[in-house]
Amino acid sequence: GESVGLHLPTLSVQEGDNSIINCAYSNSASDYFIWYKQESGKGPQFIIDIRSNMDKRQGQRVTVLLNKTVKHLSLQIAATQPGDSAVYFCAEKYTGGFKTIFGAGTRLFVKA
Amino acid sequence: DVKVTQSSRYLVKRTGEKVFLECVQDMDHENMFWYRQDPGLGLRLIYFSYDVKMKEKGDIPEGYSVSREKKERFSLILESASTNQTSMYLCASSFRAGGLQSQYFGPGTRLTVT
Repeated sequence: GESVGLHLPTLSVQEGDNSIINCAYSNSASDYFIWYKQESGKGPQFIIDIRSNMDKRQGQRVTVLLNKTVKHLSLQIAATQPGDSAVYFCAEKYTGGFKTIFGAGTRLFVKA
Repeated sequence: DVKVTQSSRYLVKRTGEKVFLECVQDMDHENMFWYRQDPGLGLRLIYFSYDVKMKEKGDIPEGYSVSREKKERFSLILESASTNQTSMYLCASSFRAGGLQSQYFGPGTRLTVT
């Protein structure tokens, strides 16, 4: 079956640096993509989403980039803070579908 | 804010016991989901429901059943718990069936079956 994957299982960054978390997806029918953050002991929390008619979307300190040509999604976190330490999941969905496909997750460590 | 609550944060059950995990959402969402989360395996969908009394199997429904008698409540049932069902269980909801929107997750229930 098709799935969403991540290039790196762990990422370690210095506090204040920018973080980039990458994700590859394989279902060309997917037209909606989401990034979730999961802190230890908590459920995943929505960060930002993007629809396939866009290639970039910005939030507060976060930016999601979508490259449909190579089926690649990335999450950029500006000025990474200790509170950003968590596991980040990308997810995909398509119009009319009930299911969301989640990636395995990348653990982000922020060094003080 | 959407709130999804789960009845227990931690549960310890014995093999063979019947286990009920309850989930309640307060935003009138149509869709509700049950996932299990295991290290290295990510989130795997057990069952979902897009309406009251409606249910659909996810990717790993074996050993589980669900109940949705009211729109706001979705229950996961382990008919006879086994040790391989030790896991983190996450409930989620989303607004409209087939729509493009994110899911809202509860805090999770960590179930240990001994």
